[in-house]
Amino acid sequence: EAGVAQSPRYKIIEKRQSVAFWCNPISGHATLYWYQQILGQGPKLLIQFQNNGVVDDSQLPKDRFSAERLKGVDSTLKIQPAKLEDSAVYLCASSLDFGVTIYFGEGSWLTVV
Amino acid sequence: AQSVSQHNHHVILSEAASLELGCNYSYGGTVNLFWYVQYPGQHLQLLLKYFSGDPLVKGIKGFEAEFIKSKFSFNLRKPSVQWSDTAEYFCAVREGFQKLVFGTGTRLLVSP
Repeated sequence: EAGVAQSPRYKIIEKRQSVAFWCNPISGHATLYWYQQILGQGPKLLIQFQNNGVVDDSQLPKDRFSAERLKGVDSTLKIQPAKLEDSAVYLCASSLDFGVTIYFGEGSWLTVV
Repeated sequence: AQSVSQHNHHVILSEAASLELGCNYSYGGTVNLFWYVQYPGQHLQLLLKYFSGDPLVKGIKGFEAEFIKSKFSFNLRKPSVQWSDTAEYFCAVREGFQKLVFGTGTRLLVSP
């Protein structure tokens, strides 16, 4: 079974630039998550989708972060404009319909300079 | 709000030593508990999980964890570690279908 696919794996941008990350969840998984993992910390949920609807985006910095899952399958997370503190690994994850077990992708490493 | 505490940020062991990593959580209701592992350069992988039933849970690669409700703990154990167990270990808690809350992680280094 294919896992959660993410791209790009690595990205270096200057502050105030924009960046977008793409995620394709495990086939059949209705729930999709974006997590942010800052070095030395555990992953923190940014946004959770159920199909193409947002379930939880309480910790998403909406002034600069946006995410969409238009067709209920793959998803894009965008940061504009980026700040130095956005340097982190952005993890996409998926689960069956509100499934308890969540499967993670390899992450997209962002460095903002 | 839920929180998860992992007491040891860095652990260094020799091969064949026993391992115990502590995890405590704040929520007193019904929770699902997880340990994830992240090997160098790889993605987070589920090591084991507890939903209900037997509080002693066995996972992959010889790991086990014990849920002690009275202590709000879910400690991870392995009787004899190997060099290949070098990784970062995350405890996580989920209340029903709410968000998964992670601890800060414990970096384990096993020296050969």
